[in-house]
Amino acid sequence: EPEVTQTPSHQVTQMGQEVILRCVPISNHLYFYWYRQILGQKVEFLVSFYNNEISEKSEIFDDQFSVERPDGSNFTLKIRSTKLEDSAMYFCASSVDGDLTETQYFGPGTRLLVL
Amino acid sequence: RKEVEQDPGPFNVPEGATVAFNCTYSNSASQSFFWYRQDCRKEPKLLMSVYSSGNEDGRFTAQLNRASQYISLLIRDSKLSDSATYLCVGGAFNDYKLSFGAGTTVTVRA
Repeated sequence: EPEVTQTPSHQVTQMGQEVILRCVPISNHLYFYWYRQILGQKVEFLVSFYNNEISEKSEIFDDQFSVERPDGSNFTLKIRSTKLEDSAMYFCASSVDGDLTETQYFGPGTRLLVL
Repeated sequence: RKEVEQDPGPFNVPEGATVAFNCTYSNSASQSFFWYRQDCRKEPKLLMSVYSSGNEDGRFTAQLNRASQYISLLIRDSKLSDSATYLCVGGAFNDYKLSFGAGTTVTVRA
């Protein structure tokens, strides 16, 4: 069964550093998402992406964040100048299309720890 | 007000028992609802979609009450493997994001 994959599984960084989280969505999917989950809290939407542009973003997704599809397979989330409160699990998801009746499939996540 | 609210539990039930819990949503524009399951430190996985007419998938039954804006999940004949956090999730038409509840923790004991 096709899966969303994410690398790295864990990332430790110093406050103020930049990190890039990588995702490979399911190959025939056209919509891509990033969510985050701070430890002990709910899953929060960050951004959705379609046709090489952002479809929607949350209040969390400020200028510190950016997304990119650098090639035909990868989908990345860049966090500039990381802060302690960016420590969380970051999940990538993809779906065939943007219709919410279509399942969003989640990757295993990248656990980011900012020190 | 939170978009999706759930009783966090935990619900501790013996194997074979039936457990049921609800979630409420505040956005009346919400069109699509789902129950996701999340195991500790793992990604959310879709358990089932929730339809207005109610739907059943094996031991799991989901109901949607639009008038009262709540969704329910019932698990029959609980198994040890049903121990997880169950996430109530909603989405609005033409809105690409999913809104997650904080989850209801279920622990099934032998």
